[in-house]
Amino acid sequence: QSVLTQPPSVSAAPGQKVTISCSGSSSNIGNNYVSWYQQLPGTAPKLLIYENNRRPSGIPDRFSGSKSGTSATLGITGLQTGDEADYYCGTWDSSLSAGVFGRGTKLTVL
Amino acid sequence: EVQLVESGGGLIQPGGSLRLSCAASGFTVSSTYMSWVRQAPGKGLDWVSVIYAGGSTYYADSVKGRFTISRDNSKNTLYLQMNSLRAEDTAVYYCVRDWRSSSEYWGQGTLVTVSS
Repeated sequence: QSVLTQPPSVSAAPGQKVTISCSGSSSNIGNNYVSWYQQLPGTAPKLLIYENNRRPSGIPDRFSGSKSGTSATLGITGLQTGDEADYYCGTWDSSLSAGVFGRGTKLTVL
Repeated sequence: EVQLVESGGGLIQPGGSLRLSCAASGFTVSSTYMSWVRQAPGKGLDWVSVIYAGGSTYYADSVKGRFTISRDNSKNTLYLQMNSLRAEDTAVYYCVRDWRSSSEYWGQGTLVTVSS
């Protein structure tokens, strides 16, 4: 049982928009920054969003992040087949004094 | 250029010990915080441990008391000493610089397999 809850899978057509949710609690998302990762098969995770809604250099603005209360959301617009990957949210849990990740969401671009 | 190169993984029997290394270049490990994150085959990401610049360390409950994170400033290297290994510790172990920040960087990972 993960501390952060993500949907196992989402899907959408090329060019469309998709959102991936990440639900937690006041000890993690509610009081700490959230990051989002993209992982392609056989590769290390890639940071897409940090501090809830900031994009590292090189990440296109098709990717966006938001946070409200104890939930966070990753949005991807203009879907491309190359966006098919696993997506993870991560944050710090102040009660556990440990990092936590969601179980991941598999994105399928139909 | 920032580089993180993990090593030390391999096949180990349950109950055994292994030490992972993460050789850093392009920055100083002691000047920032370094983490270990693992991923079991076909599973999601699992945070393991962090060491801050000041030396404070934190661990996931699943490894507390069995794993120890440390660094050698003279070698600019991060370590993860893993004792009393279990089958559920089987995973690719990644070292990560500045987890959850704009300067975050991941190594390529090293595979640890715990099996008899």
